[in-house]
Formats: sequence, structure tokens, C-alpha cells
Amino acid sequence: GAGVSQTPSNKVTEKGKYVELRCDPISGHTALYWYRQSLGQGPEFLIYFQGTGAADDSGLPNDRFFAVRPEGSVSTLKIQRTERGDSAVYLCASSLLGSASGANVLTFGAGSRLTVL
Amino acid sequence: RKEVEQDPGPFNVPEGATVAFNCTYSNSASQSFFWYRQDCRKEPKLLMSVYSSGNEDGRFTAQLNRASQYISLLIRDSKLSDSATYLCVVNPIGGTSYGKLTFGQGTILTVHP
Repeated sequence: GAGVSQTPSNKVTEKGKYVELRCDPISGHTALYWYRQSLGQGPEFLIYFQGTGAADDSGLPNDRFFAVRPEGSVSTLKIQRTERGDSAVYLCASSLLGSASGANVLTFGAGSRLTVL
Repeated sequence: RKEVEQDPGPFNVPEGATVAFNCTYSNSASQSFFWYRQDCRKEPKLLMSVYSSGNEDGRFTAQLNRASQYISLLIRDSKLSDSATYLCVVNPIGGTSYGKLTFGQGTILTVHP
């Protein structure tokens, strides 16, 4: 597609429920990132995929969070047993690695706003 | 200490003013640097990359001081449309074409008539 697409745009759930957030990156972008942004803060890194594999998952806060990218394109961020503190905007970004400029420029999706009641 | 630190502001300036934002980073091995802009309730978008020699894009000038681990953004002749949050971004791992980017907290700018 033309840009990074994220669904749902808004998700309201109850504490303890399971949530899946989907990201469809720009076609041909090999790298895909998940960030989380709380009010008044900058985006906080969660996980980064290079192709199908998670190259760096050091930002996942605990084992309730898991992400997959089985075919190297669409990715799903999965949150188990949601807590109120998980409420945030979850941003997905993709980039074209090895670009001529050598710079890792991220293009973000509009985000999925998660509210845990 | 945070990996990337910014003054959160807010900065309130009149149209036509010049305003400067500063940012410091902790990892001396960092290789690539950026400024992103984020409008209210929107996603971050790349404003400009920051190069060692400094670079300019119209009214925007970015500077990098590797010795002090310091990045700046200067906006001249501010417009109402410049009102946004400005995010300082660093690739802390090293290398220029891969790896996570680390974002600062962001600096809020409001330009008023």
C-alpha cells in the first residue's frame, strides 16, 4: 500500500482481556517496528523485525506482550491479560533497510489507540 | 539517565520568531540522528536528518556536536503551521542503515499570531 496501515484505530477493552493489533507495512519495506506512546511522552521502542525474525525485542515490557511477522510483511502485536497501564497509542513503522542514503528513516502508521478499562 | 533528553517546553512564540530546540544523547556510539515532527493526535513524521556538518532545509537548520553529544534544531521565521511537537531521534546502536531508533520526550512548540 501507499503507507503503513494499522487496525483497529481504536480499541477499548476490559482489564484481563486479550488484544491483537495489526500492522500492514509499506510494500517492500523489510524492517518493521512497534512503538508505544503514552500521553506527553515520545514513542517508546518495543520490538523490531528484519524480515520474519525479531531482530531486537528488548523493548517488550514483559511476557504478556508478543509480536509476530510470519511472512515478512504484516505483523501482529499481541497483548495478553491486559492491564490499565497498557493503555497507550501503539505505533507501527516500517523502513527500507540499506537505502542509498544509509539512513534508517521510519514511516509510521496512524497508530492503534488502546484503552484498557 | 534517559538515552535521549529534550526540554519538553512548551515553547510559545509569536509568528516570525526564531526558536531553537536542544537535545542530548547518552550513547557516544550513535551514528544517525533525526528530527521528527508530530502533530496533535497524529503519527510522527520525518522533518529532517541531522548531519555532522550541519544542514539546512528552508527555514529549518539542524546541528550536531558529537563531542558534546548534542543536537539542535533552529526554526526561523516561525509560522502558525509550525505548531507541533518536535522529537529528537537517535540510532543508538551504531551503523547507519538498521536498528531501532530512540526518541526523546518531544518539545512542544506553539506559534501564536
